[in-house]
Amino acid sequence: SQTIHQWPATLVQPVGSPLSLECTVEGTSNPNLYWYRQAAGRGLQLLFYSVGIGQISSEVPQNLSASRPQDRQFILSSKKLLLSDSGFYLCAWSELLAGGPGELFFGEGSRLTVL
Amino acid sequence: KQEVTQIPAALSVPEGENLVLNCSFTDSAIYNLQWFRQDPGKGLTSLLLIQSSQREQTSGRLNASLDKSSGRSTLYIAASQPGDSATYLCAVRTSGFQKLVFGTGTRLLVSP
Repeated sequence: SQTIHQWPATLVQPVGSPLSLECTVEGTSNPNLYWYRQAAGRGLQLLFYSVGIGQISSEVPQNLSASRPQDRQFILSSKKLLLSDSGFYLCAWSELLAGGPGELFFGEGSRLTVL
Repeated sequence: KQEVTQIPAALSVPEGENLVLNCSFTDSAIYNLQWFRQDPGKGLTSLLLIQSSQREQTSGRLNASLDKSSGRSTLYIAASQPGDSATYLCAVRTSGFQKLVFGTGTRLLVSP
């Protein structure tokens, strides 16, 4: 069966420090991968998605970036965090079926607090 | 631009009651619709996926329906239990495939 792992679960970082959140998927090949952010009191916002190694699409301009160095690994990064980057970050994956993306599955999330 | 609305924002019911959560979307050209639950501080758990060609899906005590023409989906929970307490989110995948647009959720509390 497929599983998704995301870490770290909790992170407290000072303003201006770098960020790296990692996500890996097991039990599938060539998944679509996604990074979402859930800010307090707001809905889920799609940040990045990837349909293959090295292929990253950005949905929202910001100081965050994403990379996919391996088929089942997705990394969210920042060189300098802002206070507004605080939130709950969720990695997700879906299979690419004949008709399009399938069911979406989420990781457990990473709570980032920027002080 | 697809917009997804969930009403009510919060719901409190006694244990054993049957309940309906509502989800509406503005653009009927959807690929699929998915219902999730989220427990506090946790990730989202997929409950049901309905393809655009389907009218409903069932899993245990859960039944989700889809009416594309009216831009609505409902999640029916039968015989609610305290363990059903969570936030329920619906999400619509647009015809562009990759983007899943989420509603802001319905927070459900089932009292024993």
